[in-house]
Amino acid sequence: DTEVTQTPKHLVMGMTNKKSLKCEQHMGHRAMYWYKQKAKKPPELMFVYSYEKLSINESVPSRFSPECPNSSLLNLHLHALQPEDSALYLCASSQTRDPNTQYFGPGTRLTVL
Amino acid sequence: AQSVAQPEDQVNVAEGNPLTVKCTYSVSGNPYLFWYVQYPNRGLQFLLKYITGDNLVKGSYGFEAEFNKSQTSFHLKKPSALVSDSALYFCAVSALYNFNKFYFGSGTKLNVKP
Repeated sequence: DTEVTQTPKHLVMGMTNKKSLKCEQHMGHRAMYWYKQKAKKPPELMFVYSYEKLSINESVPSRFSPECPNSSLLNLHLHALQPEDSALYLCASSQTRDPNTQYFGPGTRLTVL
Repeated sequence: AQSVAQPEDQVNVAEGNPLTVKCTYSVSGNPYLFWYVQYPNRGLQFLLKYITGDNLVKGSYGFEAEFNKSQTSFHLKKPSALVSDSALYFCAVSALYNFNKFYFGSGTKLNVKP
């Protein structure tokens, strides 16, 4: 199984809502990533988890809160987002010994009203 | 500082013709170079990477890339383009191999016309 799954595929939320994005992989990868991608732009790294511990936080606002409950799951909790946070949110995973060969999920298209 | 430049926003090529998507890089130290492809409404897919060794790297779907140290380039090539190759292509570079962060270029949209 070389698939990374993400739910939901689309999410529309108001600025006062709380929602969560979910990511799952069963490849035994111990590094997992969240990226944000605006239209026609490259992905921007947000967070990296290595062995279920947060190893990189790219100065992301606190309204984004990641969580890695186990080695297969990665969540991104959203609260009080702004319209400019509307984007495609991509999850990826990799082996820790080969962090640049990443397997990406299809993404969650987030719209903040 | 590490950076990648993809000088073309868009490349148009006819089906069956060879294609090249350009990438130049700037790193301090040895570069580790990657190509990813993104199909519409999908996540990125790994195509190929250069770590060391042979300058010509072969990857998925018939793609290859040539590492040129003197020109600091890592152009993506395919001898015969398919309509299904139409997608957004990202070059990426990392200054350290065993490191979680790498730097993406701005992306090049490849259009292959029948």
